[in-house]
Amino acid sequence: ETGVTQTPRHLVMGMTNKKSLKCEQHLGHNAMYWYKQSAKKPLELMFVYNFKEQTENNSVPSRFSPECPNSSHLFLHLHTLQPEDSALYLCASSQGDRGSYNEQFFGPGTRLTVL
Amino acid sequence: GESVGLHLPTLSVQEGDNSIINCAYSNSASDYFIWYKQESGKGPQFIIDIRSNMDKRQGQRVTVLLNKTVKHLSLQIAATQPGDSAVYFCAETSGAGSYQLTFGKGTKLSVIP
Repeated sequence: ETGVTQTPRHLVMGMTNKKSLKCEQHLGHNAMYWYKQSAKKPLELMFVYNFKEQTENNSVPSRFSPECPNSSHLFLHLHTLQPEDSALYLCASSQGDRGSYNEQFFGPGTRLTVL
Repeated sequence: GESVGLHLPTLSVQEGDNSIINCAYSNSASDYFIWYKQESGKGPQFIIDIRSNMDKRQGQRVTVLLNKTVKHLSLQIAATQPGDSAVYFCAETSGAGSYQLTFGKGTKLSVIP
């Protein structure tokens, strides 16, 4: 285990549903990330939070809404998704120190299917 | 745009043989590289990293080689085992403190018993 947990592991939702993905890290890290992993595409960075502040938003549609209440927890709120949003959503964390190279530790992911 | 990519999408290797997985990158400013392993049903797992001021780094059964002249990165796995079967990703970033990792598409390694 990497020290990063994600729930649920699998989620099926309709396009009109609202759901949330949860990530928790037990590593004492300060930075947390959301990635999207689709078939035939490289891992895509969605959001980065460092010390609870959002530092990156890679042009992600507003139907994805992140929330970081503290350095250990990260949520991804989902609303009116499209079938093409079906993918594996991965959470990661890292030390978050500026001036250092930060190895990222990944959770197991949530397999999302949008019907 | 600049990207990180892989030469081979699949690789089959006999158990006990050595494996070599290749990666090309195009961002000349990249100065930190990581190899990740992703097994089925799991998230990517860190294997080994290398900074641009090095051309070789060894770990347990793995070696990463960096050729900055041709912007090429490789991962060598010695005495490949069935447990090594997975998808391997290279990733790069530039600048200490950067949170942006750019990942390649991945190479699937299959070990033949």
